Amino acid sequence: KNQVEQSPQSLIILEGKNCTLQCNYTVSPFSNLRWYKQDTGRGPVSLTIMTFSENTKSNRRYTATLDADTKQSSLHITASQLSDSASYICVVSGNTDKLIFGTGTRLQVFP
Amino acid sequence: GAGVSQSPRYKVAKRGQDVALRCDPISGHVSLFWYQQALGQGPEFLTYFQNEAQLDKSGLPSDRFFAERPEGSVSTLKIQRTQQEDSAVYLCASRETPGGGSPSPLHFGNGTRLTVT
Repeated sequence: KNQVEQSPQSLIILEGKNCTLQCNYTVSPFSNLRWYKQDTGRGPVSLTIMTFSENTKSNRRYTATLDADTKQSSLHITASQLSDSASYICVVSGNTDKLIFGTGTRLQVFP
Repeated sequence: GAGVSQSPRYKVAKRGQDVALRCDPISGHVSLFWYQQALGQGPEFLTYFQNEAQLDKSGLPSDRFFAERPEGSVSTLKIQRTQQEDSAVYLCASRETPGGGSPSPLHFGNGTRLTVT
């Protein structure tokens, strides 16, 4: 079983709408959780990094939440733009350097 | 350059050929990672270097895979006797700091897409 599960697998929304992506993890011990955006044919780009003590963190139109008790995180995208079309990957780190990647949510934003 | 650079961008190899994939990390970054990403999947860890020391190679799928970083900067991932299942995007990432669980961001290159025919 994957230690980092993301949902939904794919999502289609209209430009200007909001959406929320989910990430559940079982990695233990837990050190930090990251959200990455990966455009087609490119490497992942970091959006946010959250440590155990952080509940929410925002980066422009992206807001990530973390509940370390339930081992859940979400990424909320506000007022989506066409350029938000990408895969969004949740990555969890324990106390080693081996980051555990989720399989991603494929977001498509249509005009 | 400002980011992580990988070459070649695309590589087509006949089954059985050896390939070498290069990664130029951000200058001064201590940590370097290699990942394998199959189509539609998240990256899977292959190996990790701290400077020139390969501290973790537990993700390398077989002894046909070999990675080195002899001077603590540029790294090469070599795959011997390539098989069709080796077809994937190989991503390199670097990070300024070492240490387990470091919250420093990972900077990824755009990957090398390897196709084995």
